[in-house]
Amino acid sequence: GEDVEQSLFLSVREGDSSVINCTYTDSSSTYLYWYKQEPGAGLQLLTYIFSNMDMKQDQRLTVLLNKKDKHLSLRIADTQTGDSAIYFCAENESGYSTLTFGKGTMLLVSP
Amino acid sequence: ETGVTQSPTHLIKTRGQQVTLRCSSQSGHNTVSWYQQALGQGPQFIFQYYREEENGRGNFPPRFSGLQFPNYSSELNVNALELDDSALYLCASRQGGTDTQYFGPGTRLTVL
Repeated sequence: GEDVEQSLFLSVREGDSSVINCTYTDSSSTYLYWYKQEPGAGLQLLTYIFSNMDMKQDQRLTVLLNKKDKHLSLRIADTQTGDSAIYFCAENESGYSTLTFGKGTMLLVSP
Repeated sequence: ETGVTQSPTHLIKTRGQQVTLRCSSQSGHNTVSWYQQALGQGPQFIFQYYREEENGRGNFPPRFSGLQFPNYSSELNVNALELDDSALYLCASRQGGTDTQYFGPGTRLTVL
């Protein structure tokens, strides 16, 4: 079955860049996603990348995909205290459009 | 805001009871999925509905059931509640033929 793994915790200072990493196992995934969850809230879609792309940039967010190593990363430039949240990596099961999530990375941004 | 709404926001039940959670999908979205997120975990897929039929199910027992209505809104029903059913239940909608899902704010269920 599919498995998605992430590091559990990342702490950075305001203004620094943050890099959150994820590995996945389903080589047939069509899309890979990054969602953000603030305390007590639902999931906010941040960005996604199609599996035939290597990189996608969206304002402060850069997604890198290494399909050979099944490694996905999310870089947040100029990290702000408002970016403190849990970030989930997710892959969709090819042909089903159901999502398999990692356990999430808690990002703590200190002033 | 994704346009996906869920009710109620919070719910407290006791073991053995039954619960119904509701979801209204984003306008134009005809596919609804439900996920269970236990504390400290990522969301786990429960099932998906398309055109009022279940068309995908995760590793959840039959006491988890659902409905989808002609207006694409959906319900999640859980019978014989167990303590481990305490979780945040998330609903997500998407347009059929696309892959990207948009989540609602969730319903926090506590089973005592």
